[in-house]
Amino acid sequence: SAVISQKPSRDICQRGTSLTIQCQVDSQVTMMFWYRQQPGQSLTLIATANQGSEATYESGFVIDKFPISRPNLTFSTLTVSNMSPEDSSIYLCSVEPRGNYGYTFGSGTRLTVV
Amino acid sequence: AQTVTQSQPEMSVQEAETVTLSCTYDTSENNYYLFWYKQPPSRQMILVIRQEAYKQQNATENRFSVNFQKAAKSFSLKISDSQLGDTAMYFCAFMKAGNYGQNFVFGPGTRLSVLP
Repeated sequence: SAVISQKPSRDICQRGTSLTIQCQVDSQVTMMFWYRQQPGQSLTLIATANQGSEATYESGFVIDKFPISRPNLTFSTLTVSNMSPEDSSIYLCSVEPRGNYGYTFGSGTRLTVV
Repeated sequence: AQTVTQSQPEMSVQEAETVTLSCTYDTSENNYYLFWYKQPPSRQMILVIRQEAYKQQNATENRFSVNFQKAAKSFSLKISDSQLGDTAMYFCAFMKAGNYGQNFVFGPGTRLSVLP
């Protein structure tokens, strides 16, 4: 399975600022996914990022708040913009399954907004 | 739309004992995959085991096994000889075969504590 490096692992940010989270994959993948995990909750898909096209956002998530870049087949970034305490969550990236085996996840970014 | 339910928010088990985590799902699909993921305090999501819906045989991975009941739409995880390192959140997940992204649905999770 793919190996994903996600950074930063954690950050504490002031409200109103933005944070960019990076995911680097050790192999080329077509689809990358960004999830949010609010405290004590399960994972919710934010968007799907394909290389060379605009990200596809799930209901409740908008590009102005969570802009995503996908400049090549091994890298993606998620920015959390104009942050508020409600954005405090774990953010995880994931890549498409290989042969339907299962998603591989990055180690997550724990974001705290104060 | 698919839904995944885990009715046990928290469970505990003594070290070396066996524990079963429950998962039910709802789908009209016939071709799909089911997964159990483990999330320890490190936050890393780790794939524990997967099951293809077209296979009748229950999947097994070392101390982890599933009881897959397709008609009942049930997919429980059994952990044998529980170890302290098994302490984690466990998520049951559903994926429609052939499609990714929003077709991958997680349950709310079960927090498992293995007690010494």
